[in-house]
Amino acid sequence: DAMVIQNPRYQVTQFGKPVTLSCSQTLNHNVMYWYQQKSSQAPKLLFHYYDKDFNNEADTPDNFQSRRPNTSFCFLDIRSPGLGDAAMYLCATSRDPGQGNEQFFGPGTRLTVL
Amino acid sequence: GENVEQHPSTLSVQEGDSAVIKCTYSDSASNYFPWYKQELGKRPQLIIDIRSNVGEKKDQRIAVTLNKTAKHFSLHITETQPEDSAVYFCAGFSGSARQLTFGSGTQLTVLP
Repeated sequence: DAMVIQNPRYQVTQFGKPVTLSCSQTLNHNVMYWYQQKSSQAPKLLFHYYDKDFNNEADTPDNFQSRRPNTSFCFLDIRSPGLGDAAMYLCATSRDPGQGNEQFFGPGTRLTVL
Repeated sequence: GENVEQHPSTLSVQEGDSAVIKCTYSDSASNYFPWYKQELGKRPQLIIDIRSNVGEKKDQRIAVTLNKTAKHFSLHITETQPEDSAVYFCAGFSGSARQLTFGSGTQLTVLP
């Protein structure tokens, strides 16, 4: 009965080698979020989709892109990973946020950049 | 945009004592305030939340209070247990931005 699934759980890539992280959900939620979390820090929102409406945070580097081909799936593409991109990447979903709704987090993908 | 400040950054308590974590927010339009618990290497998990039309909410040993006038909210954990040890994040939700802004986190350690 997994609700938010992320693959892979661990990803190792080389400096500059593109990588794609995936997220899927069985909750049929409108909104999907991608967060970056570095050690001992709060999750930092990179972008989110409200249905097909893409919302990029102002300080999200151009190196980070996202795709949402359908309601269930969302992808995070890192075009040229740098050492500073090593982090935990968390996907989350929520119903129409309107007045605020719980965000359900996936287990995360731990990205290592060599 | 919203700014959420959280204190303290670390908190150690003896098992059985109470723990209090405090947050302030800046956007008076924020209307939803969740608290997440994150154990090492795991996902954040919602433990309690409160909406702006409520002043207090309780769930067993956990309670949250909200003061809209002062723009602060607090998490109270009573009768702490070693399994309460984790990082706790408060957050504020801005309806206009449709996103959560997290506080910086509190590392809670419950000493046996």
